[in-house]
Order: sequence, then C-alpha cells, then structure tokens
Amino acid sequence: AQSVAQPEDQVNVAEGNPLTVKCTYSVSGNPYLFWYVQYPNRGLQFLLKYITGDNLVKGSYGFEAEFNKSQTSFHLKKPSALVSDSALYFCAVRDMRAAGNKLTFGGGTRVLVKP
Amino acid sequence: EAQVTQNPRYLITVTGKKLTVTCSQNMNHEYMSWYRQDPGLGLRQIYYSMNVEVTDKGDVPEGYKVSRKEKRNFPLILESPSPNQTSLYFCASSPGTDSYEQYFGPGTRLTVT
Repeated sequence: AQSVAQPEDQVNVAEGNPLTVKCTYSVSGNPYLFWYVQYPNRGLQFLLKYITGDNLVKGSYGFEAEFNKSQTSFHLKKPSALVSDSALYFCAVRDMRAAGNKLTFGGGTRVLVKP
Repeated sequence: EAQVTQNPRYLITVTGKKLTVTCSQNMNHEYMSWYRQDPGLGLRQIYYSMNVEVTDKGDVPEGYKVSRKEKRNFPLILESPSPNQTSLYFCASSPGTDSYEQYFGPGTRLTVT
C-alpha cells in the first residue's frame, strides 16, 4: 500500500522568507511524486512532479522540490514566499508498480504568507 | 480552453434522493477519476476509468457508481445519498497513466441532510 504524510497542518511564513512544505511517502516500488496547490474555491492545480533523474525538480510559480530517496521525502520549497502563495498544498504519490493511475494524497498543508 | 468541467458546483439534497454529478473534459484524455476531499484526509479516490467502458474502484467506492460511455464524460452517481457523503468532490483527467499529472475540475460541494 502507498501512503503520504504531510506532518504540518499549517505553515506560517513572512513574505520574502523561504517557504518549505514537508512531505514523506511510502511505496513498495519506485515513486512518482507530485505537488498540487489549491486556491480558495478552486480545483487543484499541478505544480511539479518527480519521475526520475535529477533530485531537484523545478516547477510553476518559482516552486521547487527535492526528492530524497533515503529519507523518502519530497519537500516543496520556494526561496522567497509571496502573499499570493497562501493556499492549500497537497503532496501525492503513485507507485510505479501499481495498476491504474491511483494517486494517494497527503492530508494537505495550509500555507499562510503574511505581509 | 482545455478544461475539466463539473456540474453542479453546489448541491444540497436529502437522504435517499438519487443524484448525478457530471464531469466532462475536452482534452481527449483517456484516464478520468473521481475524488472526495474531506478536512485532514486530503483527497481520496472513489472510482477511476482507464478508457471508455473501463472503470474500477478506488479507495472509497461504497455508495457511488460511475459510467464511462463516452471518452469525454464520466458522471458520478449517488443512488441513495447519505449524510456521510457530504463532501467536496473533484473530477480529474489525464492523458494516460504512469507519470502524467492530472487535471482537476473546479469541484462540487455536496451537502446531504
């Protein structure tokens, strides 16, 4: 079975400071890893994904994430947060060996960027 | 514009009254899926479809039905809704499986009283 943990329900950060949203995962095989963002009253939007290759993945809106296989983590980062980054962030994993395209999501982390 | 649409966006109904939430995508995607979002639980997959006439259960299929008669449409059916199905529902699609990201609809907020 595959699972995702986002240990922080909420992250508060001042505008201009670095932002990190944590994610750890568990899969039987090799993982596909995704980050999505949800703005109020909107659907989820894709930010970035790790499939293979370079452990540092760059995505939309200046976000990046680092895949760490030994720690089974895929933390989302942004060097300088904006107030407009305030949203709900979801990490998701898919086991490469799993049938279908089942995505398992974490519980979400709310990010609040204060001016 | 490439998009996934859902209707209705908001629905309040009573226990036992059958309802359907429609989902349509205009990207010719093979894969479609339904999720429910509940606080603290993230999104949980209800059903998914790999292609026309091919559907399978996700993690929480009880109380739901789906059909995939056309590639673009993937309706979610609640034959006899109950209060524990009050939730925010999302439809998603992707070109295929494996490494593809999914495209999400705007969501349907369902309240069952």
